[in-house]
Amino acid sequence: DAKTTQPNSMESNEEEPVHLPCNHSTISGTDYIHWYRQLPSQGPEYVIHGLTSNVNNRMASLAIAEDRKSSTLILHRATLRDAAVYYCILLSGNTPLVFGKGTRLSVIA
Amino acid sequence: DSGVTQTPKHLITATGQRVTLRCSPRSGDLSVYWYQQSLDQGLQFLIQYYNGEERAKGNILERFSAQQFPDLHSELNLSSLELGDSALYFCASSPRLEGWYNEQFFGPGTRLTVL
Repeated sequence: DAKTTQPNSMESNEEEPVHLPCNHSTISGTDYIHWYRQLPSQGPEYVIHGLTSNVNNRMASLAIAEDRKSSTLILHRATLRDAAVYYCILLSGNTPLVFGKGTRLSVIA
Repeated sequence: DSGVTQTPKHLITATGQRVTLRCSPRSGDLSVYWYQQSLDQGLQFLIQYYNGEERAKGNILERFSAQQFPDLHSELNLSSLELGDSALYFCASSPRLEGWYNEQFFGPGTRLTVL
């Protein structure tokens, strides 16, 4: 299984940008990089995904390194509602989502 | 609201018993996934169904089984329950089979407590 490595926890001030890193040095050419988050007492929620190019959506941006061995999820202005566990997951074909421990993001008012 | 519904929200039962968890996917989604989240194991994939057929299996115990019905709702059956089966059980759905471009939509979960 392709694996990812994320910091256990990070902290951010409200309304500041947050950069959540993910290392995936064994990524294969067919692996897509997906990010999910899980807010307290809720099910996981899709955030964003990409293959090679940087991606933006209403929730976040995904910056992918040129060699694809790492990526960064960017929350442009953290809010208290963004406090969650963020999971970086590699997916290809019909592989199921494999959740690691993720990064617990705390947002300070 | 993801559009995925799960019932019941909470379930308390005793060891040795059998329970059924129900999931209704988003309208039109053909794939249903079941996950278990416990404090010590984290979020683990159990099983996937696509249009009524089993398509992928994860760390699902033999005491557990699932099915997807013609109306696409799914049920997860847990039998001979043990204390260690206490966990949150999530259902997710997605429109297609392939995962790499698929966003999965998760339900609110069923919290199972085995006493």
